[in-house]
Amino acid sequence: GAVVSQHPSRVICKSGTSVKIECRSLDFQATTMFWYRQFPKQSLMLMATSNEGSKATYEQGVEKDKFLINHASLTLSTLTVTSAHPEDSSFYICSAPTGTSGRNEQFFGPGTRLTVL
Amino acid sequence: GQSLEQPSEVTAVEGAIVQINCTYQTSGFYGLSWYQQHDGGAPTFLSYNALDGLEETGRFSSFLSRSDSYGYLLLQELQMKDSASYFCAVRDLGDKIIFGKGTRLHILP
Repeated sequence: GAVVSQHPSRVICKSGTSVKIECRSLDFQATTMFWYRQFPKQSLMLMATSNEGSKATYEQGVEKDKFLINHASLTLSTLTVTSAHPEDSSFYICSAPTGTSGRNEQFFGPGTRLTVL
Repeated sequence: GQSLEQPSEVTAVEGAIVQINCTYQTSGFYGLSWYQQHDGGAPTFLSYNALDGLEETGRFSSFLSRSDSYGYLLLQELQMKDSASYFCAVRDLGDKIIFGKGTRLHILP
């Protein structure tokens, strides 16, 4: 089946620094990828839609200047958390639609646990 | 906009059957999906219903009633490994998936 990878799986950084998270589709091309954030014991909240070759589309309340998204190729999207603060500590997950059979199926990356000190 | 309601927690006994309900409000409907997520892991796709009725995949089944804006996930022959959070989800325009708040399933031996 389709595989989505994320790197790094875990990152700890100091407040004020920037962190880049990569999301790759390993065996299929993804013109669209999605970035979610999940706080402990809560649901996945969609942050933005990453579009290959064009600007990302952000959900209401998500600061586009803080969460920079670049969809560099058909297999890679990156999320950069700029000037990270402790409240940005969360589990960040990317996903890509499989594009098959209209099943609403998406494959998720394994997630990145970000801790900002 | 989209909104989904599901119970926050459900407890069941190993070997039993459990049903997790989901009601939704959507501006357009493109099917109801279910995802499973273990603690610390990523969500994994379980099932999808676009039309009314029951879809069965092994021990898991999913039901949809579009007229009632309602669906459920049925888990049979519960195993301890089924302890996880279960999310119902709907697709928005452009393939965005909007998740419910999730139901945490506790399984007792």
